[in-house]
Amino acid sequence: GESVGLHLPTLSVQEGDNSIINCAYSNSASDYFIWYKQESGKGPQFIIDIRSNMDKRQGQRVTVLLNKTVKHLSLQIAATQPGDSAVYFCAENSGYSTLTFGKGTMLLVSP
Amino acid sequence: DGGITQSPKYLFRKEGQNVTLSCEQNLNHDAMYWYRQDPGQGLRLIYYSQIVNDFQKGDIAEGYSVSREKKESFPLTVTSAQKNPTAFYLCASRTGQSGTQYFGPGTRLLVL
Repeated sequence: GESVGLHLPTLSVQEGDNSIINCAYSNSASDYFIWYKQESGKGPQFIIDIRSNMDKRQGQRVTVLLNKTVKHLSLQIAATQPGDSAVYFCAENSGYSTLTFGKGTMLLVSP
Repeated sequence: DGGITQSPKYLFRKEGQNVTLSCEQNLNHDAMYWYRQDPGQGLRLIYYSQIVNDFQKGDIAEGYSVSREKKESFPLTVTSAQKNPTAFYLCASRTGQSGTQYFGPGTRLLVL
């Protein structure tokens, strides 16, 4: 499959652990943030989003935290499963209808 | 069955040849985007279109061209001027109501 994860930061966890993936964004004026999951050889899948007027948003097994003071975004995955193994990256909407994407973090989940 | 489709899954280009990557969506989204992905790098924007018959260059438009004659379709041509075309190409679309972009499955372009 396509090696999107080559030379990316890697987080290795055991099945059942909680995972935390971090992202620093660049534009303090960004008003909307998205987390995507990308499996090898596939297109990115939307996981969860958050607007800048929120600090926290929860989905099914996932939580996104936004700290605007230090321009930091995190994705927490509860009870990580082998199927969660993928590259995760954040995106920020800084205007003009386009998104700026981070390089991503590879999550490896071992049984 | 709604979504974004890209074809072909794999495409081979000979030196000096132009090739066209297809992207179709039936989500009734206004905006469409083309990205290039190289190993270990974030997505880089090639071109985007917010409305039919209009499109804008992204960060790495040189060597690429697009058209937007229909709302559903946003084909990307990789021209012979693109000297390093080997990459994974991703198409995305976005409704005008939010910033979320939804992606197609991608096309891997290889040079013979």
